[in-house]
Amino acid sequence: TQLLEQSPQFLSIQEGENLTVYCNSSSVFSSLQWYRQEPGEGPVLLVTVVTGGEVKKLKRLTFQFGDARKDSSLHITAAQPGDTGLYLCAGGDTNAGKSTFGDGTTLTVKP
Amino acid sequence: GAGVSQSPRYKVAKRGQDVALRCDPISGHVSLFWYQQALGQGPEFLTYFQNEAQLDKSGLPSDRFFAERPEGSVSTLKIQRTQQEDSAVYLCASSGGLVVNEQFFGPGTRLTVL
Repeated sequence: TQLLEQSPQFLSIQEGENLTVYCNSSSVFSSLQWYRQEPGEGPVLLVTVVTGGEVKKLKRLTFQFGDARKDSSLHITAAQPGDTGLYLCAGGDTNAGKSTFGDGTTLTVKP
Repeated sequence: GAGVSQSPRYKVAKRGQDVALRCDPISGHVSLFWYQQALGQGPEFLTYFQNEAQLDKSGLPSDRFFAERPEGSVSTLKIQRTQQEDSAVYLCASSGGLVVNEQFFGPGTRLTVL
């Protein structure tokens, strides 16, 4: 069974601070996705990383895929209250189709 | 709309009742997924369709759960004889790109079994 562990589980910071959240597994994934989910809504895709060592930037968000394609990190610069939400990582196996999700990091950014 | 839609958004059932949850994927998306999300947890895979073919149903928790996608578009997740432990948010996602794991989710159906 493939498992994804996300840390920290909860994170509360002040507006303007930087933060990093982590997604770790003992399994290799063919791709890894990061999603953000707000209460009462479904997850919204932020990014897909495919290549080991890959770094992708999306405005103030920087995503990194580990060299061995087993782990990933999400770094947010100068967090804003609009960044508040549940950040989920999901590992994919293109042969299987389905994704395995972590339990997420709940981020609260206080104004 | 252009996104994935699900209905109903909320469903309250008495224990023992049957329920049917509907998903309308993004038009043209070949792959469709159902997930179950308990409070405070990430989505857990239930089943996966490619067009009308159900390729993986390994996540369905019991034979009370049944999913179909007869014409390769709309899908229905049916739960028979609902139990309290079935209370959760049921998410539907579709995918049509080269990266099949890049999924687009609907808003979910929150099921409460009393």
